Amino acid sequence: QKEVEQNSGPLSVPEGAIASLNCTYSDRGSQSFFWYRQYSGKSPELIMSIYSNGDKEDGRFTAQLNKASQYVSLLIRDSQPSDSATYLCAVSGAGSYQLTFGKGTKLSVIP
Amino acid sequence: DTGVSQDPRHKITKRGQNVTFRCDPISEHNRLYWYRQTLGQGPEFLTYFQNEAQLEKSRLLSDRFSAERPKGSFSTLEIQRTEQGDSAMYLCASSLVGGRGDGYTFGSGTRLTVV
Repeated sequence: QKEVEQNSGPLSVPEGAIASLNCTYSDRGSQSFFWYRQYSGKSPELIMSIYSNGDKEDGRFTAQLNKASQYVSLLIRDSQPSDSATYLCAVSGAGSYQLTFGKGTKLSVIP
Repeated sequence: DTGVSQDPRHKITKRGQNVTFRCDPISEHNRLYWYRQTLGQGPEFLTYFQNEAQLEKSRLLSDRFSAERPKGSFSTLEIQRTEQGDSAMYLCASSLVGGRGDGYTFGSGTRLTVV
């Protein structure tokens, strides 16, 4: 049974701070890793994808992957109140397009 | 093309009734997925199609659930003899074959309430 674990939060950070979101996964064969943002009552929206060990930066977002530790993280710099949402970590394995999602971490950015 | 469309947005049904949902993917996307999401949980995989072929089904997809994608375009998800436990958001997503798998594009979802 493939599992993706996230701290459900809520994680509260002040506006302008760095928010750090973490995710671990159980399947060592996992090859593709994604972060989705989901506002309350809305559908998930892809914000980052990462496939290789290391960091990947896109604007205020940085995804970090450590396959040896089976760990993925998302950093949000200069957090804004509009970043307040649930962040879902998702993982897929080799040859599979099925995504396994974590339960999500609820982020609250306080003005 | 404005994205993945799902219809209806909301559905309230009585226990035991059948319901059908429709999904129209992004036109150039040949993979289509159905997921189910309950409150406080991440989306759970149900099934996916590549063109008209249903390639993978979750064990979550009981005999009461059936999905089709005739002609590889839109897809329907039918739930027969609905139960209260079927109450959830049903999400459709699509993606393009051949890429690295750069994530899906989700539709707005159909929220099902079984009373």
